[in-house]
Amino acid sequence: NAGVTQTPKFQVLKTGQSMTLQCAQDMNHEYMSWYRQDPGMGLRLIHYSVGAGITDQGEVPNGYNVSRSTTEDFPLRLLSAAPSQTSVYFCASSYSFRAPFITFFGQGTRLTVV
Amino acid sequence: EDQVTQSPEALRLQEGESSSLNCSYTVSGLRGLFWYRQDPGKGPEFLFTLYSAGEEKEKERLKATLTKKESFLHITAPKPEDSATYLCAGLIQGAQKLVFGQGTRLTINP
Repeated sequence: NAGVTQTPKFQVLKTGQSMTLQCAQDMNHEYMSWYRQDPGMGLRLIHYSVGAGITDQGEVPNGYNVSRSTTEDFPLRLLSAAPSQTSVYFCASSYSFRAPFITFFGQGTRLTVV
Repeated sequence: EDQVTQSPEALRLQEGESSSLNCSYTVSGLRGLFWYRQDPGKGPEFLFTLYSAGEEKEKERLKATLTKKESFLHITAPKPEDSATYLCAGLIQGAQKLVFGQGTRLTINP
């Protein structure tokens, strides 16, 4: 049972480059989300989706795009990377937003923008 | 503004020395309070969900409690393998998202 799988685990980008962080879950979860984690800041929500075809913005959405064409996949796109986007990114999923709302996280992608 | 605050930022204990981590919240309506454990280089791992004041949940050496303003994660007779960062998060009424605290980095020395 793979759970939530993120790729790549590490990435270095140059300022202005674009890339897509991949996230896939095999638990048939409705709800998926992306967070970034910075020292001293905790986890901050970037975008989330309550089902295929439905996405919404979180706390820090600027500079990121998402789409949800299937239940399994929820990629995060960086349009034009900036040094401020250097962070660890986590994808998460849960069955739904109803109790008990147990959330499973991927292993993270460590992104450095130079 | 909905906010979740954890204290202390870091805590260092000797093996067997019990203590508590605090998570205070100021939110418009709390649907649930969640605790996670995060090991270095890994994603957070779910521990507990608490839904109402007075509720308690236990798992091995950990016990989570909830009041109307805060939650505590009590750790009894900890072992070095309990060393990790512990995160709490609030599920906000009417919103489909979790609001996380900054985490408490717990170190248990043998």
